[in-house]
Amino acid sequence: SAVISQKPSRDICQRGTSLTIQCQVDSQVTMMFWYRQQPGQSLTLIATANQGSEATYESGFVIDKFPISRPNLTFSTLTVSNMSPEDSSIYLCSGTGGNTQYFGPGTRLTVL
Amino acid sequence: DAKTTQPPSMDCAEGRAANLPCNHSTISGNEYVYWYRQIHSQGPQYIIHGLKNNETNEMASLIITEDRKSSTLILPHATLRDTAVYYCIVISHGNKLVFGAGTILRVKS
Repeated sequence: SAVISQKPSRDICQRGTSLTIQCQVDSQVTMMFWYRQQPGQSLTLIATANQGSEATYESGFVIDKFPISRPNLTFSTLTVSNMSPEDSSIYLCSGTGGNTQYFGPGTRLTVL
Repeated sequence: DAKTTQPPSMDCAEGRAANLPCNHSTISGNEYVYWYRQIHSQGPQYIIHGLKNNETNEMASLIITEDRKSSTLILPHATLRDTAVYYCIVISHGNKLVFGAGTILRVKS
């Protein structure tokens, strides 16, 4: 199995600012993903983080708002740009090891 | 990927078996049934997965019907720590997980 860590675990930010979330996996994973979980809701896939190339975004999510990097097989970042209170959510990183997808603990973001 | 149908919530007495059903009538031949759970304020945790045979691990058992149109996740001796949202997802290998609403399981003493 893969162990996934995220930094920060939580943050409170002002509207209009940006926050970068880091995701580190303890072993090489083939695929990495970023999800959002709004309060009281299920998880929604934001994008697939591709190593060395642009991420693949799901419908409703755009690169300008959620730029993603994945410089190697074990690390990825998600930036939430120009934040508004509607961006208050838990953001989760995920990676695929073998045929199983594993998740980080999440980053709880509150935007004031 | 095929969609799944789960009851929105279930209760279970502590120490008893929790049986969580999932319907996936449009599952295709190369799609697996995966179960995850999410305990409050934590990331989803992988539980078990299967293709057509029943599976068992240290956490749970997965029973898949012969026609593969439904399955049941069994927690043999539920504890209070098993209170969580349980997600049943059908997916072919190499694809990304898409989460539905899941089943809220409440284990009560």
